[in-house]
Amino acid sequence: NAGVTQTPKFQVLKTGQSMTLQCAQDMNHEYMSWYRQDPGMGLRLIHYSVGAGITDQGEVPNGYNVSRSTTEDFPLRLLSAAPSQTSVYFCASSSNRDRVYNEQFFGPGTRLTVL
Amino acid sequence: GEDVEQSLFLSVREGDSSVINCTYTDSSSTYLYWYKQEPGAGLQLLTYIFSNMDMKQDQRLTVLLNKKDKHLSLRIADTQTGDSAIYFCAETSISGGYNKLIFGAGTRLAVHP
Repeated sequence: NAGVTQTPKFQVLKTGQSMTLQCAQDMNHEYMSWYRQDPGMGLRLIHYSVGAGITDQGEVPNGYNVSRSTTEDFPLRLLSAAPSQTSVYFCASSSNRDRVYNEQFFGPGTRLTVL
Repeated sequence: GEDVEQSLFLSVREGDSSVINCTYTDSSSTYLYWYKQEPGAGLQLLTYIFSNMDMKQDQRLTVLLNKKDKHLSLRIADTQTGDSAIYFCAETSISGGYNKLIFGAGTRLAVHP
């Protein structure tokens, strides 16, 4: 199993550009989520999905869109990049079999810089 | 609301014990977690504790939970240079049928000879 994969590893954008961060998992996990990591602030939840076709907003959703057309893929779209979106983005997945215990499996991250 | 707090830095000598502390707010959290992030990598689950336990030991790791004070700690015995990483404490919060993780800011552990 590859686990959770993310592409690209690094990206530089200009303000106003759009792009999609890719995330895929091969563990047949129902739950997937996107976090951003900023210095001194830990990980903050952007969007999450509890299954194909179902998404919801997390703590910091503004400026980001998601969709979940398959169990495996959960792309994150930046519609018009802003310098405040400079961050490291992590995708994570987890199984819903035990609604209480929630081990999340993380991808290696995408480091995004917006100029 | 939910909040998890940790100190940001800890420096220890190789071979000493490290203790990383965390406070959380959601008393209904059934599990509390410690994740480890090595440089340039994603987070990996290090250990966890169920809320009805006071202590959990796993080789060099000891997790202590004080539910009354909502205080969680991670002790690493015989700390090695390979333990240098960022350690995140996380509590669980159920919202809209989804079991969210609320992370602290992370404690950067530096191990020096």
